[in-house]
Amino acid sequence: EVQLVESGGSLVQPGGSLRLYCAASGFTFTNYWMSWVRQAPGKGLEWVANVNQDGSKKYYVDSVKGRFTISRDNAKNSLYLQMNSLRAEDTALYFCARENGNSSDSWGQGTLVTVSS
Amino acid sequence: SYELTQPPSVSVSPGQTASITCSGDKLGDKYASWYQQKPGRSPVLVIYQDKRRPSGIPERFSGSNSGNTATLTISGTQAMDEADYYCQTWDSSTAVFGTGTKVTVL
Repeated sequence: EVQLVESGGSLVQPGGSLRLYCAASGFTFTNYWMSWVRQAPGKGLEWVANVNQDGSKKYYVDSVKGRFTISRDNAKNSLYLQMNSLRAEDTALYFCARENGNSSDSWGQGTLVTVSS
Repeated sequence: SYELTQPPSVSVSPGQTASITCSGDKLGDKYASWYQQKPGRSPVLVIYQDKRRPSGIPERFSGSNSGNTATLTISGTQAMDEADYYCQTWDSSTAVFGTGTKVTVL
């Protein structure tokens, strides 16, 4: 069974940093692109970033470019999102998702990031 | 940046057909996916590559994509289908989600 378990979310002050984690199991991690998707409270889904199988290709939504960094450790079956210079508008539930072709076919339960003073 | 527009809400009676549209420039030239999200739950993929259903997704869910519009159709809608639905595609190596549609089964 595919499992994606996110962690690392918390309350952080504006301008602060946070690192999110996603532990993957139940599939061959190295075969898949992985992504982060977020959802602000009461709002829709927003794709944040993705990374290819060996970590050599990374793409970001414009609003996080230069502030967020996606990475992965294939030896640990783990996905990360380093978030710097956090803003109030980054407050959201952050999902880790497995990409399969043109879709995200498996999702974690999410980890909540709150940016507030 | 690329945008996908969906109607905010769709209402349907049990047993009837619900159609949810997703509009974007030349969307028919790209692949569209659809996700279902129930309150407090993670999204679930219900349609990929315009019209394909993942294993475990009921046959009442179908999809199409042509011109500027992709459509998710739920035939014989059941109460359990009440949820938010999001379309999604790719543009310039980045994913884009639609604005979301709340389906209410009255």
